[in-house]
Amino acid sequence: GAVVSQHPSRVICKSGTSVKIECRSLDFQATTMFWYRQFPKQSLMLMATSNEGSKATYEQGVEKDKFLINHASLTLSTLTVTSAHPEDSSFYICSARQGWGNQPQHFGDGTRLSIL
Amino acid sequence: GQQLNQSPQSMFIQEGEDVSMNCTSSSIFNTWLWYKQDPGEGPVLLIALYKAGELTSNGRLTAQFGTTRKDSFLNISASIPSDVGIYFCAGQARDYGGSQGNLIFGKGTKLSVKP
Repeated sequence: GAVVSQHPSRVICKSGTSVKIECRSLDFQATTMFWYRQFPKQSLMLMATSNEGSKATYEQGVEKDKFLINHASLTLSTLTVTSAHPEDSSFYICSARQGWGNQPQHFGDGTRLSIL
Repeated sequence: GQQLNQSPQSMFIQEGEDVSMNCTSSSIFNTWLWYKQDPGEGPVLLIALYKAGELTSNGRLTAQFGTTRKDSFLNISASIPSDVGIYFCAGQARDYGGSQGNLIFGKGTKLSVKP
């Protein structure tokens, strides 16, 4: 149980393109979904937290107009990197948590984004 | 903000050896989680700890929630080549509103196992 699917797994696109990444909880309802960014050989950095039907809460330093997050249902959240540039190239990982208590976060397999 | 100190940063061991890694914090957590991440993939939950002093096993893995609530360790017994990867600890505390706060991650322990 507790499977989180992230799509696509890899994206290579030109500078200026907008890229959408999907995160789905397959076998549970995700009250909260999280988006992380991971640079090579580093730990995960939280970008934003989103609850279903609410606006996302962004961490300090993360541009909300650059990284658009939509959490329209209890099983789907999307991250859109708008007008992506090479410095946006990174490994983006989503996670999902069921309920409001102590349930752990379960992670997707990540999306490798490369902007040329 | 809250920070986790995870050590060691990396380990090179022989197959069959036991492994131990730990995380410490200057502040209290009410949940400790241990994840493993393989290259190019997302972290996979190994063990979740919810109570101070709790000792939990998952196969060859054992983790403990420190009694001070400021530390946790993970042990792997009789390591095998597929144990290779990066292990992250993560702590979670309640925020001022009483809700679950965000996960704070350690910097990871990279494990290499020599067959």
